[in-house]
Amino acid sequence: EVQLVQSGAEVKKPGESLKISCKGSGYSFTSYWIGWVRQMPGKGLEWMGIIYPGDSDTRYSPSFQGQVTISADKSISTAYLQWSSLKASDTAMYYCARLEIFSSGWYFWSWFDPWGQGTLVTVSS
Amino acid sequence: DIQMTQSPSSLSASVGDRVTITCRASQSISSYLNWYQQKPGKAPKLLIYAASSLQSGVPSRFSGSGSGTDFTLTISSLQPEDFATYYCQQSYSTLYITFGPGTKVDIK
Repeated sequence: EVQLVQSGAEVKKPGESLKISCKGSGYSFTSYWIGWVRQMPGKGLEWMGIIYPGDSDTRYSPSFQGQVTISADKSISTAYLQWSSLKASDTAMYYCARLEIFSSGWYFWSWFDPWGQGTLVTVSS
Repeated sequence: DIQMTQSPSSLSASVGDRVTITCRASQSISSYLNWYQQKPGKAPKLLIYAASSLQSGVPSRFSGSGSGTDFTLTISSLQPEDFATYYCQQSYSTLYITFGPGTKVDIK
């Protein structure tokens, strides 16, 4: 069974650093992109960025570029999302998800499946 | 950037109703459109990919259609477990993804 398991909930103070994780199993971790998605309380889904664990190629949404760092350790099939200095506005649920890509000739379709269970990050003084 | 809009933002419906949700892209995205369902406190779940392909295990009452800029998710006969929020997502830019704002379906 393909599965992504995320690290547990975190409570942090503004200015603190944080690294949350997403461990893949049941598939070749290095062969699929892993994306991160933010969901602020009561709000919709926001794509943050994506990493290819095979070579650590990483792309960021312009909205999150410079605000977070996405990384991966392929030796332990784990992707990470980290902050160097948290703000109260980083309070949210964070999901990782595997990007499935289907190609036909020059065309590529992609979608997120499966998703991790989510990691709730609370930043409060 | 490709912007996605959804309508309505919320709707109330009864069990057995036919429900239609619309998603519009700010530019043509061919069939690069996916639909997800999210229930409260749960991670999103893929329903439809490539505009009209039903994900394995998803009930056949769900269907997707459309191409270009206008897309539709239809639930042919709403069931109690279908009350949730539905999001569209474009994958025209394979690695630069955008979600729609969501449509909440609740009980009338």
